[in-house]
Amino acid sequence: GAVVSQHPSWVICKSGTSVKIECRSLDFQATTMFWYRQFPKQSLMLMATSNEGSKATYEQGVEKDKFLINHASLTLSTLTVTSAHPEDSSFYICSAKLPSYEQYFGPGTRLTVT
Amino acid sequence: QQQVKQSPQSLIVQKGGISIINCAYENTAFDYFPWYQQFPGKGPALLIAIRPDVSEKKEGRFTISFNKSAKQFSLHIMDSQPGDSATYFCAASWGTYKYIFGTGTRLKVLA
Repeated sequence: GAVVSQHPSWVICKSGTSVKIECRSLDFQATTMFWYRQFPKQSLMLMATSNEGSKATYEQGVEKDKFLINHASLTLSTLTVTSAHPEDSSFYICSAKLPSYEQYFGPGTRLTVT
Repeated sequence: QQQVKQSPQSLIVQKGGISIINCAYENTAFDYFPWYQQFPGKGPALLIAIRPDVSEKKEGRFTISFNKSAKQFSLHIMDSQPGDSATYFCAASWGTYKYIFGTGTRLKVLA
């Protein structure tokens, strides 16, 4: 149990375009999901907390107008990187939280902006 | 106070040996301490977690030791195998709030 999927697993887009990443909890409902960014050989950097039916809470320094988060249902959260630039290239990972403490992570999405 | 300090940064262990990774925290409000394993290009996978009301938790070859007074906790991997070669992250949380992650430990187990 506690499986989280992400789609796509990798994406290449041109500079200036937008790309949407989906995060789904497959076998449980998640009122809270988290979005992380990870640079090579570094730890996970929390970008935002996504709560179903309400606005996401962004961490300090994360541009909310650039990284749009929508949590429209208890099993789906989306991250849209708007007007992407090469510096947005990274590994994006979502997690979904059980009502208890556990967070289960998706497999990640590799974004490359050319 | 929000940091979780993890050491060592990298670790090389012979097959069959014991791998030990340490984490320390300052915030005494933390009440949940999970460990994650991450392979290259994959998302982190929950290995084992502990609450501060117990001093040790074991699941298979993985053991968490928790020292509340020292504000430290560690992961022990017994009989380490080449397949255990990965990056390990500790984390800490309080209530049902977000996680604070350590900086990660890259483990390599030699065959």
